[in-house]
Amino acid sequence: GNSVTQMEGPVTLSEEAFLTINCTYTATGYPSLFWYVQYPGEGLQLLLKATKADDKGSNKGFEATYRKETTSFHLEKGSVQVSDSAVYFCALSGWGGSEKLVFGKGTKLTVNP
Amino acid sequence: DAGITQSPRHKVTETGTPVTLRCHQTENHRYMYWYRQDPGHGLRLIHYSYGVKDTDKGEVSDGYSVSRSKTEDFLLTLESATSSQTSVYFCAIEDSGAGGREQFFGPGTRLTVL
Repeated sequence: GNSVTQMEGPVTLSEEAFLTINCTYTATGYPSLFWYVQYPGEGLQLLLKATKADDKGSNKGFEATYRKETTSFHLEKGSVQVSDSAVYFCALSGWGGSEKLVFGKGTKLTVNP
Repeated sequence: DAGITQSPRHKVTETGTPVTLRCHQTENHRYMYWYRQDPGHGLRLIHYSYGVKDTDKGEVSDGYSVSRSKTEDFLLTLESATSSQTSVYFCAIEDSGAGGREQFFGPGTRLTVL
């Protein structure tokens, strides 16, 4: 079945550092890929998405590129801020009509001033 | 704002008691989902609904039931709560609008079963 593996945290960075959170997936066909962010005490919010190979999703300075050849969708940001401290989830939804999301286990990011 | 509310937001109950969590949406979306979030597991799908009275199981449905008698409400029931059901529960709706089929989440319900 479909699955998502993302790097385990926690990740601690200083403000303005470069961020990469790795995400790889296993799926048949052509899934859609997502990054969600969860701030403390809140529900998940969609951060960005990509629906086909080589698509780049971007939002709030975050980017991720759908790489079918490496089955990856790594999240990057060039300069993190304290306000980026949150838990980040990689997810995919299946191809062929099944839109149920499969989530990775989440990566907690803490950014220190 | 996808107009999703969950109630209650926090609940403490005892083992063996029934518990019902409510998810309410204001935008008439067809698909609704219940997830649970536990450390080290991410989010796992419990049940989902694709219309009034149309529901199906997710990957962790044992011990849970759902009902959807109106488009706007999706209820999750724990018939006899157990300590393993202590978790944070999230409801989500699926928006099939111009941005594609995306899910939007409610604020969550923190349930503690003693």
